[in-house]
Amino acid sequence: EDKVVQSPLSLVVHEGDTVTLNCSYEVTNFRSLLWYKQEKKAPTFLFMLTSSGIEKKSGRLSSILDKKELFSILNITATQTGDSAIYLCAVGGGGSNYKLTFGKGTLLTVNP
Amino acid sequence: DTAVSQTPKYLVTQMGNDKSIKCEQNLGHDTMYWYKQDSKKFLKIMFSYNNKELIINETVPNRFSPKSPDKAHLNLHINSLELGDSAVYFCASSQVAGVYNEQFFGPGTRLTVL
Repeated sequence: EDKVVQSPLSLVVHEGDTVTLNCSYEVTNFRSLLWYKQEKKAPTFLFMLTSSGIEKKSGRLSSILDKKELFSILNITATQTGDSAIYLCAVGGGGSNYKLTFGKGTLLTVNP
Repeated sequence: DTAVSQTPKYLVTQMGNDKSIKCEQNLGHDTMYWYKQDSKKFLKIMFSYNNKELIINETVPNRFSPKSPDKAHLNLHINSLELGDSAVYFCASSQVAGVYNEQFFGPGTRLTVL
């Protein structure tokens, strides 16, 4: 069965800190890894990674994939209170019908 | 403009009832999905439709029946509701089937079964 494991499950930091969120996976026929941010409602898309070693960056957020070691990290620098959310990692793969398998998420709380 | 919308946003009902949740996307996407997010925030795929055709059907009780009247709509009907069905149900869509495409999520429907 496909598996996505995120760590830590929760994290509390102060504004200005840098955080690293981890995602490891075991998925049949890996195709892509996606990061989502979920605040109070719907998950919103952050990044999609398909190739190893190529960093994706958007403002203070960046992410990289290691397909050999089967993991990805999401970095957030100079955290702000608005970064407080659940960060979800999802891996796309499967047999004939591709699907996303989600991890349980990392709850990030940024205190002022 | 709302990209993926769901109705209702909240649904409170008694065990044994039958209820429906509706989803619509105005993005012109071909593929739509239903996910269930339980109390521990674990998001799990239930169904996926591509151009009105069912392509993913995870291990879901057959009390859950999706229906796609056209590619912009994917509704979820649940028969004989049970306490364990309480969760947030998210609809999502992507441009085409397959995981190279970002999925856009609706706002969710919080279902509470009493």
